[in-house]
Amino acid sequence: EAQVTQNPRYLITVTGKKLTVTCSQNMNHEYMSWYRQDPGLGLRQIYYSMNVEVTDKGDVPEGYKVSRKEKRNFPLILESPSPNQTSLYFCASRTGVSEAFFGQGTRLTVV
Amino acid sequence: ILNVEQSPQSLHVQEGDSTNFTCSFPSSNFYALHWYRWETAKSPEALFVMTLNGDEKKKGRISATLNTKEGYSYLYIKGSQPEDSATYLCAFRHSGGSNYKLTFGKGTLLTVNP
Repeated sequence: EAQVTQNPRYLITVTGKKLTVTCSQNMNHEYMSWYRQDPGLGLRQIYYSMNVEVTDKGDVPEGYKVSRKEKRNFPLILESPSPNQTSLYFCASRTGVSEAFFGQGTRLTVV
Repeated sequence: ILNVEQSPQSLHVQEGDSTNFTCSFPSSNFYALHWYRWETAKSPEALFVMTLNGDEKKKGRISATLNTKEGYSYLYIKGSQPEDSATYLCAFRHSGGSNYKLTFGKGTLLTVNP
């Protein structure tokens, strides 16, 4: 089954404790991206990757890092999480012309 | 940052009503316009990808039209059902620069009352 898998689905952490949210897709898509969803602000892009070892900042990249060492994986790294990073996060993948396929979402709370 | 506007922000309709909402996007450097349906506690799922001016797409009771020259797309739902209740998102891709990027609107929250 074609899918985008994010882990964990829920995470509560403390300020400053590094964390990684994993994202994996099995559709051989070149393009992957991370979004955060906050009330009243819609889906905002954090980072995206057009292929292996090619990443670029989206609209709200501050406080996040990503890597794309393999085509299927695109982890999101928060080196020193802060409460303003409490949000619902989505990973998505697609080809150059297709629609985006979204993961199940990760609800992160930073206290 | 590209401006993608959706209206209305929310609406309530009765079961059986037909409804429509709007997505506005930049009319220059158009590449594609996407529509997604997002149910509470689930992930957004694609409805349509539209690329040509004048495009009309249909899936069951849901259809969409596209006007790239004036920068808008309409999503129509005929005979709304309670299971149509969801947030409907549009997303714009432009043809310049890093044209892989999708810029999303904030969505229209549709509630269909039985």
